[in-house]
Amino acid sequence: GDSVTQMEGPVTLSEEAFLTINCTYTATGYPSLFWYVQYPGEGLQLLLKATKADDKGSNKGFEATYRKETTSFHLEKGSVQVSDSAVYFCALNDYKLSFGAGTTVTVRA
Amino acid sequence: GAVVSQHPSRVICKSGTSVKIECRSLDFQATTMFWYRQFPKKSLMLMATSNEGSKATYEQGVEKDKFLINHASLTLSTLTVTSAHPEDSSFYICSARLSGTGTDTQYFGPGTRLTVL
Repeated sequence: GDSVTQMEGPVTLSEEAFLTINCTYTATGYPSLFWYVQYPGEGLQLLLKATKADDKGSNKGFEATYRKETTSFHLEKGSVQVSDSAVYFCALNDYKLSFGAGTTVTVRA
Repeated sequence: GAVVSQHPSRVICKSGTSVKIECRSLDFQATTMFWYRQFPKKSLMLMATSNEGSKATYEQGVEKDKFLINHASLTLSTLTVTSAHPEDSSFYICSARLSGTGTDTQYFGPGTRLTVL
């Protein structure tokens, strides 16, 4: 079945550092790919998405490119802030959402 | 746009009582809503898919008689935890599917923290 493998955390960074969270997937079809972010005590917020190969999703300085050849959808941000501290989930959608395990990111001032 | 609300945000109840959680799509109609459960520091576990006007589809291992789901309108789905026990304590999150051009996207509610004493 469809599945998502996500980089294990936790990840601790200093402000203005570069962030990368790796995500790879297995799917029988051509799913849409998503990154969701969860702040402490809250639900999930859609961060960005891509619907087909080579699409780049971007939002709030975060980017991810749908790479069919490597079945990847890595999340990147060039300069993180303390407010980016959260749990990040990679997910694929083939009618149902399949989530990765989540990566906890802590940004220190 | 695409806002989903949940009520209540927190609930504490005694063992043996029932608790109802509401999930509403505020600015769009959702024929399909989903209910998830999240354990501490874990990913989301899909419990069931709720379709407006029909019975919910439960994932394997989820007791349908314990977790009653009703999707009575295009903007409201409810999850009732019947005869709650301490092991039902968890963070319950709903989502609503927004369909349209492009792709289907799920938008999530803020979650409900259930504590059963």
